[in-house]
Formats: sequence, C-alpha cells, structure tokens
Amino acid sequence: NAGVTQTPKFRVLKTGQSMTLLCAQDMNHEYMYWYRQDPGMGLRLIHYSVGEGTTAKGEVPDGYNVSRLKKQNFLLGLESAAPSQTSVYFCASSYERGRTSGGQETQYFGPGTRLLVL
Amino acid sequence: GIQVEQSPPDLILQEGANSTLRCNFSDSVNNLQWFHQNPWGQLINLFYIPSGTKQNGRLSATTVATERYSLLYISSSQTTDSGVYFCAVGRYSGAGSYQLTFGKGTKLSVIP
Repeated sequence: NAGVTQTPKFRVLKTGQSMTLLCAQDMNHEYMYWYRQDPGMGLRLIHYSVGEGTTAKGEVPDGYNVSRLKKQNFLLGLESAAPSQTSVYFCASSYERGRTSGGQETQYFGPGTRLLVL
Repeated sequence: GIQVEQSPPDLILQEGANSTLRCNFSDSVNNLQWFHQNPWGQLINLFYIPSGTKQNGRLSATTVATERYSLLYISSSQTTDSGVYFCAVGRYSGAGSYQLTFGKGTKLSVIP
C-alpha cells in the first residue's frame, strides 16, 4: 500500500495563476481532508469530504475549492493564487464513523506539497 | 471553536534524558491523537488515545478526558526523536463529519 500520496511535491506560482493539488489514497477510506501548515503553527483544516461526491468547508476555506469525484481522490484547487496561500499543504484520510475496529478515526497523512506564490 | 494548547513550545534534551509534553484542550472531545513531524516534514501517527494510557516502545501517552488534558512521555530520548510533536483533538460535527483541531506543537531537539 502506498497510503496517502500527494502531487506535486513542490510548486511555484505567480499571483493570479491557478493550480490543482491531487491527493490519492489506497486504503478505501471514506473521509478525506485538506490542511495547510504555516510556520510556527499547527495544521488548519481547509476542506474535507465524508464520501465520494461530498465536500464541506473547514476552518480556512476561502480561496480554495475541492472535488471528490472518486472515493480514492481528493482535489484541492486554487483558482487565483495569492501570496497568502504560500504554505505547506497536507492531505489526510480516515475511515468513516461507526466502524467496529478501534481507532477508526485515526487520520493518515500524505507527505505534503510545498507551495510558493510570488 | 475548541482551543488546544501545548507546552512547552520548545524543548532541548540531552540524548538519554526523559521528557513530558502536555496538551490542554478547552472543551469535551471525542478523541485525541499525537503526531510526530520529522525534520523532513512527514507527519507520523504516534497514538490515538481518547482516554487512558497507551505505550509504544519508549513512548507512552495518557489522556484524562474529564480534566481535558493529555501527556506524551518520551523516555531515553534519541536524536531521531527530534522534530515537532502535535496534539490534535477530534470532534464530530452536527453533520456527522469528524474534524481534528491541532495545537501549535512542541519543537523537540535532542542533542548527542
């Protein structure tokens, strides 16, 4: 199992450009998440999905859009990048609520994508 | 929203020393996770611990949910323990989703 993978690993954008970050998981998890991590801070939730075809806003959703067309993929889009979106972006996944196995809400993280917006 | 505070923010240890990291949270939670972020940025699950005590090798964690805190113990520290340790509390929303709120982390440096 590859676990959670993210593409690309690093990207430089100019202000106003758009891009899509791809997250893929092979653990058959229902829940998927996008976080951003800024220096000296913990991770903050941008958007999340509780299943294929569903998305919802997290703590800091402005300037981002997401889509979950397939269960294993969760896409994060920046339509018009701004310098304030310079950050490290992490994707995570977990099982859905109600599974009988213990620790079903444990989140598993991808390696991160470093984004620099000039 | 829920507040998660970790202490200390920075910690320097001599190799072989023991340490205790603390996580306080402001409201009731469904569960709690500890993560280690290594110097290369990778986030690794350490413990899923809504209550009680768990041990994994030199690491152990205790969560006292009724008093809204969790402790992470590192014994006989090694240089490979260096990095940032995050506490994250999990809660279910009214829509049935599950969200983690992270603390700002404790940066640990273990020196030889």
